[in-house]
Formats: sequence, structure tokens, C-alpha cells
Amino acid sequence: DAMVIQNPRYQVTQFGKPVTLSCSQTLNHNVMYWYQQKSSQAPKLLFHYYDKDFNNEADTPDNFQSRRPNTSFCFLDIRSPGLGDAAMYLCATSRDVGTGGQPQHFGDGTRLSIL
Amino acid sequence: AQSVAQPEDQVNVAEGNPLTVKCTYSVSGNPYLFWYVQYPNRGLQFLLKYITGDNLVKGSYGFEAEFNKSQTSFHLKKPSALVSDSALYFCAVRDRRLGTGFQKLVFGTGTRLLVSP
Repeated sequence: DAMVIQNPRYQVTQFGKPVTLSCSQTLNHNVMYWYQQKSSQAPKLLFHYYDKDFNNEADTPDNFQSRRPNTSFCFLDIRSPGLGDAAMYLCATSRDVGTGGQPQHFGDGTRLSIL
Repeated sequence: AQSVAQPEDQVNVAEGNPLTVKCTYSVSGNPYLFWYVQYPNRGLQFLLKYITGDNLVKGSYGFEAEFNKSQTSFHLKKPSALVSDSALYFCAVRDRRLGTGFQKLVFGTGTRLLVSP
């Protein structure tokens, strides 16, 4: 029944070592989002894809990149993780029908630790 | 810019008692408002939304929310709390980027609900 699946659930990497987090969806939604969430704070939007169009938030560091090879999959790449990048990373999807108001569906997140 | 505020970091309630989690909003235009719940080590789950229509919105797990335009509030309520309702609750508002079709959610800071047996 899982509709937005994030792998792995827990990821440990070394300071400065590139890491990739993955997200897949079975909802066929056209919009996919990546959020960063620290210590039970509000999720912070990093970027999103509207179909194949990539949209970066203005304050997202260049260290964060994303790829969406097809509708179902989206990846978050952190090129050189720093200690401050330790967080929960949440993937979400929504179906944009133009009228707005569609809820976002979240995966269970990947908790990233930096050694 | 659109924003929501959750004035309480934590709400404590005894099981069986009614609960309220507060949210106020600041928007230009008509608000699209949402409530999400997050259990430990899980993603956010959609509870309910208000776009238009009745001011009392019913959602999942027996939750409801009351939209009050004069008080710019959208409080989450449940008549009888369960221990299993203990979680982190986020209020959110839709923010639409002018000139594009892009819409994103702006979240409040979250309120931790603790329901005691």
C-alpha cells in the first residue's frame, strides 16, 4: 500500500562524501518535492519537480541537487555533506490539477547522519 | 507572503477529553489551509483541508477543524482524545508563486500533542 517510498530509511555518510537519497511513488503524481526537516521543526522545502521542470528554492544550498529520471523516481544528491546537513529528508508528491488545494503525500523519510 | 502561526509548542490533554490545537493564518486572498500529523520517525500524513465551503471541515481519524475568517484561525479539534493521537501536528497554508502554476505549502512550527492515559 505504500505510495511514496523512500530508501534507505537511515543513511550514514562521512563528512564530505557524496550521498544520494531516493524516492519512488506509485501515485503517478506530476509534482515531487524534497524537504529537509531538523529536530521536529517544520519541513523546509528544498526544491520540487513539476513534471520534468526543476524548481529550486532561493535559499537551497548549491550542495543539494536533484534528478528525476521519470515520473516515478526522484533523487536527492548531496555533493559534499557537512555536519549541518544531518536531518530527516522527506519526499512528497502531489497531483496538480490547476485548481490547487491538492494535498501532498509524504514518504516516511530518510534520516541522514554525518560522521 | 502567506504564513501560519502555531502559538503552542505543546498541548497536553487527558484521554477522553476534547482537544484543540491552534493555528492562525496570514494570507492575501482566499486561504487554502491544511493540517498534517507526524508520528515519530514517519512522514507527514494529511488530515484535512479547507478551501471553500463549510467552515467546519471533517478529516481523518475523527479530527475536524473550524475555519474562522474574522479571527483568521483554523484550529484543529477532536471531541475525545486518544493516547494514540499523541504526535506532532503541523498547520500549513498554500503559497502560490505569482505568474506560475507552482504552489507550495508553508508550514507552521508545529505543536506537539501529548495525550495522557
